Amino acid sequence: DTEVTQTPKHLVMGMTNKKSLKCEQHMGHRAMYWYKQKAKKPPELMFVYSYEKLSINESVPSRFSPECPNSSLLNLHLHALQPEDSALYLCASSPLAGGIITNEKLFFGSGTQLSVL
Amino acid sequence: AQSVAQPEDQVNVAEGNPLTVKCTYSVSGNPYLFWYVQYPNRGLQFLLKYITGDNLVKGSYGFEAEFNKSQTSFHLKKPSALVSDSALYFCAVRRRNTGGFKTIFGAGTRLFVKA
Repeated sequence: DTEVTQTPKHLVMGMTNKKSLKCEQHMGHRAMYWYKQKAKKPPELMFVYSYEKLSINESVPSRFSPECPNSSLLNLHLHALQPEDSALYLCASSPLAGGIITNEKLFFGSGTQLSVL
Repeated sequence: AQSVAQPEDQVNVAEGNPLTVKCTYSVSGNPYLFWYVQYPNRGLQFLLKYITGDNLVKGSYGFEAEFNKSQTSFHLKKPSALVSDSALYFCAVRRRNTGGFKTIFGAGTRLFVKA
């Protein structure tokens, strides 16, 4: 299994809603990532989890709350989002090299297209 | 800080012709450079990477890239373009952060291959 699976594929939510994005991989990768991508722009890193611990937070607003319950799952909890948060949210994972997370190859899911009304 | 630049927003090429998508880098030390491709409504797919060794790197789908230290470039190439190569291409660099490593992407270049 060489896939990163993201659900849902599409999500429409109001500014007062609470929703969650889910990401799953069964490749044994111990680094997982959330990226945000606006239309026609490059992906921007939001969070990095290494061995299920948050290692990088790119100063993301607290209305985005990541969670890594185990080595295969990564969630992104959403609350009180703004319309400008509408974007494609991409999950990625990367394998170890010699037991070390080297970030030398990222495997991406197809993303969740989020619209905030 | 490590960064990459893609000077072209769009590249147009006829099917069967060679293609080049340009990337320049600004890196202190030895660069870790990558190319990814994104098809519509999909995530990014890894094409190839340069870490060390041979300056010509071969990757997926017949793509290759040449690392040129004197010109600080890492251009993506393919000898004969296919219509199915039409997509968004991102050059990327690995940057060390206090929490580990992170991959930083260039602005992207849209490739159109015309039949």
